[in-house]
This record gives sequence, structure tokens and C-alpha cells, in this order.
Amino acid sequence: DAGVIQSPRHEVTEMGQEVTLRCKPISGHNSLFWYRQTMMRGLELLIYFNNNVPIDDSGMPEDRFSAKMPNASFSTLKIQPSEPRDSAVYFCASSLQGGNYGYTFGSGTRLTVV
Amino acid sequence: GQQVMQIPQYQHVQEGEDFTTYCNSSTTLSNIQWYKQRPGGHPVFLIQLVKSGEVKKQKRLTFQFGEAKKNSSLHITATQTTDVGTYFCAGSSGGGADGLTFGKGTHLIIQP
Repeated sequence: DAGVIQSPRHEVTEMGQEVTLRCKPISGHNSLFWYRQTMMRGLELLIYFNNNVPIDDSGMPEDRFSAKMPNASFSTLKIQPSEPRDSAVYFCASSLQGGNYGYTFGSGTRLTVV
Repeated sequence: GQQVMQIPQYQHVQEGEDFTTYCNSSTTLSNIQWYKQRPGGHPVFLIQLVKSGEVKKQKRLTFQFGEAKKNSSLHITATQTTDVGTYFCAGSSGGGADGLTFGKGTHLIIQP
């Protein structure tokens, strides 16, 4: 299994531009999570899906952030418009519902907004 | 909302010394998980604890879950350079995959 696949690995964009981060979970995992990691705030849960349905998006910082999961093998996190304070590493993780086997994280997308 | 606090933030040890990190939750947890993140890497799942007072071992690593299910610890015996990284605890108050709240982690630095 290739694990959780995220793209791109690095993204540098100008303030005001739209950014789309992509994630392919592990086949058979039916829960998917988006986390953001910064030095100041650590790992923050942004949103999670069970069986492609968004369950809790209370961690999404602002309306500029949106996430979709159109099918079991693909999810996107979009920031529009981006701001410098959005600079962070964004991780996608997946698990079997029940989470008893832990989360498998992707390698992350390092986003820099200048 | 739920808060998970971890101490210490940084820990410097000499290779061969022991290391412990502590985790405390503001609410009772249904389970707690531990992860390790190497510098520049992503969090990797180590273990899950579910039962009150549970103790689990993985080679030199010992994990404990408190009786009240609000605190946990990770102890590493005789650290090695391969143990370098950040150790996170992450808790959930609900059952299942309802989104883990992560502590800020303990950065383990090992001096050879």
C-alpha cells in the first residue's frame, strides 16, 4: 500500500491566490482528517469526514477554508484567498472508522504564502 | 473545547539516559494515542490505550493510561539516537474516529 498520498509536497503562492491541497487516503479507510501544523499552535484538526460525509468542521479557521470529499479515494482542502498567516504544513490522515488502529498520516504539504 | 497538555516541551538527554513525557487532558478520554514525528517528517502512530490504568510496552517504550483516563505517560529506557523526534499524545472523548486532539508534543534531543 502506498500510504496516504498528498500533493503537492511544497506550495509557494502569493497572498490572495487560491490554493488547493489534495489527498488520497488509504484504500479501505473510511475516515479522513485534515490537520494543520505550526510551531505556535501545534497540530490542529481542521475537519474530518466519515464515509465521505463531513462530520465536524469546527476547526476550519475561516470561511476562506473549504474541504470536499467527492468520493472515498480523494479529498481536497481549498484556501481562497490565501493569506501569509495560512503558512503551515497541512497533513491529511486516514483511518478505519473506530480509529483503533491509529491514524496514518501523509507526508504533508508545506504551504508558504508570501 | 477539549485540551490536551504535554510536558515538557523540550527534553535534552545524554544517550543512554531515560526519558519521560507526560500528557494531561481537560476531559475524560475514551482513548489516548501516541505518535512520533521525526524532524521534517510526519506523525507516525505508535500505540493506543483504552482501559483505565492500562500499561503497554514496546521494547524500550512503556505507555501508561491513568486510572481516571485523563492522563498518560510515555517512558523510554536507555535512549538511543534513533529515538530523536517529537512525541505527541492525542486524545478523544468520543468513541471511534471522531477527531483526535493532539498535545503540542515533547521534543526529544539526544546528545551522544
